[in-house]
Amino acid sequence: DVVMTQSPLSLSVTLGQPASISCRSSQSLVHSDGNTHLNWFHQRPGQSPRRLIYKVSNRDSGVPDRFSGSGSGIDFTLKITRVEAEDAGVYYCMQASHWPLTFGGGTKVEIK
Amino acid sequence: QITLKESGPPLVKPTQTLTLTCTFSGFSLSTSGVNVGWIRQPPGKALEWLALIYWDDDKRYSPSLKSRLTITKDTSKNQVVLTLTNMDPVDTATYYCARGEYWGQGILVTVSS
Repeated sequence: DVVMTQSPLSLSVTLGQPASISCRSSQSLVHSDGNTHLNWFHQRPGQSPRRLIYKVSNRDSGVPDRFSGSGSGIDFTLKITRVEAEDAGVYYCMQASHWPLTFGGGTKVEIK
Repeated sequence: QITLKESGPPLVKPTQTLTLTCTFSGFSLSTSGVNVGWIRQPPGKALEWLALIYWDDDKRYSPSLKSRLTITKDTSKNQVVLTLTNMDPVDTATYYCARGEYWGQGILVTVSS
């Protein structure tokens, strides 16, 4: 299985400041179709995960442009330019290039 | 508008079989390229993919649970059914069905005698 390792495990960010989360995979996520299927999800307590980013850097509909994804191969990053109170929760990276699909362990973001 | 909703028993006993139904709307599982999957999340823990079914009835299972899992679809009813046999307390989790960016609300299933 592809192991997805996220860092840091938790993050405390001041309102309006930037935040960055890293995700590293145990093998390349370049799929045979030429795409890199790396997604980012955000989950608030008691809610379902919401996909923010797909294929490394594409924002889903309705996702604010303060969220951006980047990376290639095995190293990926989710950045928030200016955190807002609603950004609190747990962020997960997920690879969909190899079966079984796998998630990272999550990064808990607290807003100060 | 795409929606998915999970249904099933909130409580099962150890050794029993869990059957969950995902009822969806806004798309068809007979459309090329479409798939629906099941993911679970034990309380306070990370997410885990369980199974995926494709429009052409191709199926994928988590290797660690493959012997216990079955995923099927009923295109006419817009439903995907997941069964997990020989339930154990460690299978206590919220179970989600999802299609890409669209996720159901989840259903908490507790395994307890």
